Amino acid sequence: GENVEQHPSTLSVQEGDSAVIKCTYSDSASNYFPWYKQELGKGPQLIIDIRSNVGEKKDQRIAVTLNKTAKHFSLHITETQPEDSAVYFCAASSSDNNDMRFGAGTRLTVKP
Amino acid sequence: KAGVTQTPRYLIKTRGQQVTLSCSPISGHRSVSWYQQTPGQGLQFLFEYFSETQRNKGNFPGRFSGRQFSNSRSEMNVSTLELGDSALYLCASSLNPGQRETQYFGPGTRLLVL
Repeated sequence: GENVEQHPSTLSVQEGDSAVIKCTYSDSASNYFPWYKQELGKGPQLIIDIRSNVGEKKDQRIAVTLNKTAKHFSLHITETQPEDSAVYFCAASSSDNNDMRFGAGTRLTVKP
Repeated sequence: KAGVTQTPRYLIKTRGQQVTLSCSPISGHRSVSWYQQTPGQGLQFLFEYFSETQRNKGNFPGRFSGRQFSNSRSEMNVSTLELGDSALYLCASSLNPGQRETQYFGPGTRLLVL
């Protein structure tokens, strides 16, 4: 089955700096890679996603890149703000298997 | 549009008891998935329901079960509770199976087993 590894587990940056979180996956059949943000006391919220037919996707300060050959994908947050502080999860799934596998999460802290 | 709602939000049970959690999906969403979130194991897929049928199931024992009603609302049940079942149980709904980009999570039910 799919195995998703996520690094780092914690990340602390200064407000205005960039943050990068990386994930690797094992199942070459995986073709959908979402990123979720989870704030305290809330469920995960989808912030951006990418499909395997695209190498990069950007939405304002957030971007995701995918390297299918190397089986890794990354989340990039630019101009970080204190409200970006949360736990971020990457995930992977395939069209044939609805079993979405999640990374272990990265706790991002943005210091004002 | 109201989001995914889960009830109850918090629950305390003792070992051996059973528990039922409820999930109401976003209006128009027909697929409901359940996940277990723990500090040690992270987010793990339990099962997915669509049209009152279980479409997919994760690697959990038979003590974990679920069902979906004709209005797409879903319940999950855990029988013979164990200490290790203490977790945040998350429900997520999507328009249809496989349409993960439309998947939204509820706030979760936090279960504590004593």
